[in-house]
Amino acid sequence: AQRVTQPEKLLSVFKGAPVELKCNYSYSGSPELFWYVQYSRQRLQLLLRHISRESIKGFTADLNKGETSFHLKKPFAQEEDSAMYYCALRFYGGSQGNLIFGKGTKLSVKP
Amino acid sequence: NAGVTQTPKFRVLKTGQSMTLLCAQDMNHEYMYWYRQDPGMGLRLIHYSVGEGTTAKGEVPDGYNVSRLKKQNFLLGLESAAPSQTSVYFCASSRTDQNSPLHFGNGTRLTVT
Repeated sequence: AQRVTQPEKLLSVFKGAPVELKCNYSYSGSPELFWYVQYSRQRLQLLLRHISRESIKGFTADLNKGETSFHLKKPFAQEEDSAMYYCALRFYGGSQGNLIFGKGTKLSVKP
Repeated sequence: NAGVTQTPKFRVLKTGQSMTLLCAQDMNHEYMYWYRQDPGMGLRLIHYSVGEGTTAKGEVPDGYNVSRLKKQNFLLGLESAAPSQTSVYFCASSRTDQNSPLHFGNGTRLTVT
């Protein structure tokens, strides 16, 4: 079955430190992967998608099919990066619908 | 262009009461979704729709019903609310092409006492 795993519920770093939010997926087909961010009491927003290979707000994520991972990275964390981050996998077919999320990682950036 | 709009924003129900959550999108998206967000559980898909007049069950459909009579609207109904349905509900929509992201509403915070 398709699955998205975010092993860390909470990640706490100091401002200026590098940050890596882990995401692993399980899917036999060709994955479409996304990172969404939710700032305090706001709607979820798209941060990155693997197809774009872009950097948004200093964040990057590389799809590693061998390790089935899509980790989110930023070299220097800022306080405004504090938020919930969700990794999501889109797939086609099956009974679970076509987009599933991990349980999320709460990033806390301390001054 | 309002994007995805959810009503109401907040609601308190008593066990056994019914209600309908409305989601409207003005982006002409084919796909629409209802998720619930609970602490430590992330977002779980309740129901989704791939087009007007179609609906399908997601991961946690029990206790909910949906309808998509118009392309722009996706309604989520609770026929007999239970405390376990206390949650934040998010509606989302997307295009059909590959790698299209979801656009989310602001959420509805529902408390069932």
